[in-house]
Amino acid sequence: GAVVSQHPSWVICKSGTSVKIECRSLDFQATTMFWYRQFPKQSLMLMATSNEGSKATYEQGVEKDKFLINHASLTLSTLTVTSAHPEDSSFYICSAVLGSFKGGYTFGSGTRLTVV
Amino acid sequence: AQKVTQVQTEISVVEKEDVTLDCVYETRDTTYYLFWYKQPPSGELVFLIRRNSFDEQNEISGRYSWNFQKSTSSFNFTITASQVVDSAVYFCALNDYKLSFGAGTTVTVRA
Repeated sequence: GAVVSQHPSWVICKSGTSVKIECRSLDFQATTMFWYRQFPKQSLMLMATSNEGSKATYEQGVEKDKFLINHASLTLSTLTVTSAHPEDSSFYICSAVLGSFKGGYTFGSGTRLTVV
Repeated sequence: AQKVTQVQTEISVVEKEDVTLDCVYETRDTTYYLFWYKQPPSGELVFLIRRNSFDEQNEISGRYSWNFQKSTSSFNFTITASQVVDSAVYFCALNDYKLSFGAGTTVTVRA
């Protein structure tokens, strides 16, 4: 089956530094990937849609300069949290679309980011 | 307006009891997909079921069953004879033009 690998699983960084999270589709090509953020005891909120070879589309309220998304190949999308602050501490999950756009989501295992 | 509403915030049961999670959705699209995901404490999302808007056939898979009723825009999920390992947060999700999640229902199964 379709597998999405997300790395790292967890990361601790200091305030002001940048952190890069990778999302790879291992056995299929993903022209579209999605990035979600989940705060403790809350739901998953879509941050942005990442399209291979073009700029990402950000949801309202998400700072594009802070959350840099790059989708340079059909199997890799990266999310870079720039100048991280403690309030950026969260669980970040990516997903990729397989097959039919509406019915074929595969999720990564998530990255728990803690900014100290 | 919230597109996916999960009626229960938390449910606590004793092992072997049945658990039903209610989900109501809202969309103007005629073609859409509905999902249920399980999120254990480790955080990963475990896919449980997917239904498209043209498939109202209800399904039973082991201890899990689903009731999709388009007329009431509901997509409910039942765990029969619950077990401690079923303890998790369960999310209902709707994909019309993008995937929207409900707020989640925390299920706690006590031994």
